[in-house]
Amino acid sequence: GAVVSQHPSWVICKSGTSVKIECRSLDFQATTMFWYRQFPKQSLMLMATSNEGSKATYEQGVEKDKFLINHASLTLSTLTVTSAHPEDSSFYICSARDVGQPAKTQYFGPGTRLLVL
Amino acid sequence: DQQVKQNSPSLSVQEGRISILNCDYTNSMFDYFLWYKKYPAEGPTFLISISSIKDKNEDGRFTVFLNKSAKHLSLHIVPSQPGDSAVYFCAATYNQGGKLIFGQGTELSVKP
Repeated sequence: GAVVSQHPSWVICKSGTSVKIECRSLDFQATTMFWYRQFPKQSLMLMATSNEGSKATYEQGVEKDKFLINHASLTLSTLTVTSAHPEDSSFYICSARDVGQPAKTQYFGPGTRLLVL
Repeated sequence: DQQVKQNSPSLSVQEGRISILNCDYTNSMFDYFLWYKKYPAEGPTFLISISSIKDKNEDGRFTVFLNKSAKHLSLHIVPSQPGDSAVYFCAATYNQGGKLIFGQGTELSVKP
């Protein structure tokens, strides 16, 4: 149980284009999903909290107009990197909390490697 | 402001021995702590967690200890196996929103 998938697993795009990353909870419902990014040899940094049916909450320093988040259902959240630039190249990871479980454990997807040329 | 710190970037242990990974935190509001294991280019895998009302939680070879007065937690892996080699992150959270604050990670290497 508690499986989270991400698609695509890696993507290469040209500077200026937009990239959409999907995060799905496969066997549980998640009212809240989280988006993180990780640079090489660094920790996971929370970008935003995605709430089903409402606007995402962004961390300080994260541009909400650049990183668009949509949480349209209890099993799907999407992150769109708009007008991507080389500095957006990173490893993006989503996580989800199971609404049916009282614990605060988050389950993570496998991550998406983004390379912007 | 690093609220969760893992001061050892790496740890090397012999197979069969105990691995002890440490984590310190500064925010006394944290009420739930988790350990994750991560391989390169993969998402973190949940290992074990502990609530602030407890001081120990055990699951198979993994035990997490929490010392609230010292704002310190540790993960013990006994016995260590080569397959345990990975980066281990501790994380903490303190409200219903569930936002996790991660430490920098400790790379564990278990040698046969």
